[in-house]
Amino acid sequence: DVKVTQSSRYLVKRTGEKVFLECVQDMDHENMFWYRQDPGLGLRLIYFSYDVKMKEKGDIPEGYSVSREKKERFSLILESASTNQTSMYLCASSFTQGEAFFGQGTRLTVV
Amino acid sequence: GQNIDQPTEMTATEGAIVQINCTYQTSGFNGLFWYQQHAGEAPTFLSYNVLDGLEEKGRFSSFLSRSKGYSYLLLKELQMKDSASYLCALLDRGSTLGRLYFGRGTQLTVWP
Repeated sequence: DVKVTQSSRYLVKRTGEKVFLECVQDMDHENMFWYRQDPGLGLRLIYFSYDVKMKEKGDIPEGYSVSREKKERFSLILESASTNQTSMYLCASSFTQGEAFFGQGTRLTVV
Repeated sequence: GQNIDQPTEMTATEGAIVQINCTYQTSGFNGLFWYQQHAGEAPTFLSYNVLDGLEEKGRFSSFLSRSKGYSYLLLKELQMKDSASYLCALLDRGSTLGRLYFGRGTQLTVWP
């Protein structure tokens, strides 16, 4: 069974804090993705990575950065959290041209 | 990018059949996925269409027509547990990155 694990299910952070969201997959997938999901807006891609140390911006990268130092791990960083970054964050991984497998999600609240 | 359109909400009764449509405008794509997402949970893969035609998987079937620019997900013998959001997604073409473009999802409510 493919497993994509996100480090936290729920997080509460203060405005201005640096926030790290971690994601680990155990299927040796090349691709890893970070999405955020908001009511009425669907899944929006923040960043994706197709190889170690490689990254590409998605549709809404502003205010975020990512790190992929090892193939199994993809981190999303909020440099200075703001209230408009309150959202559900979903990590996913896939083989090239294959279906994506999602983590359980992290519900982040910025106060 | 891709322009993907799905109805926002649908309702149906237990035991019925429901068809969820997905229309798109794109310059090209490799395949089309359907995902199911229960409230508060992650999306899970349901089906994948590469070629035109019907793919059947138990109570769920998915159809693709590239020439007409649409797909549908057909759910038969509906059960209460089928109440969920159903997401249509296009797999980018000409890319080895496997990027998926998602529609906003269709919230299906199944009534007893």
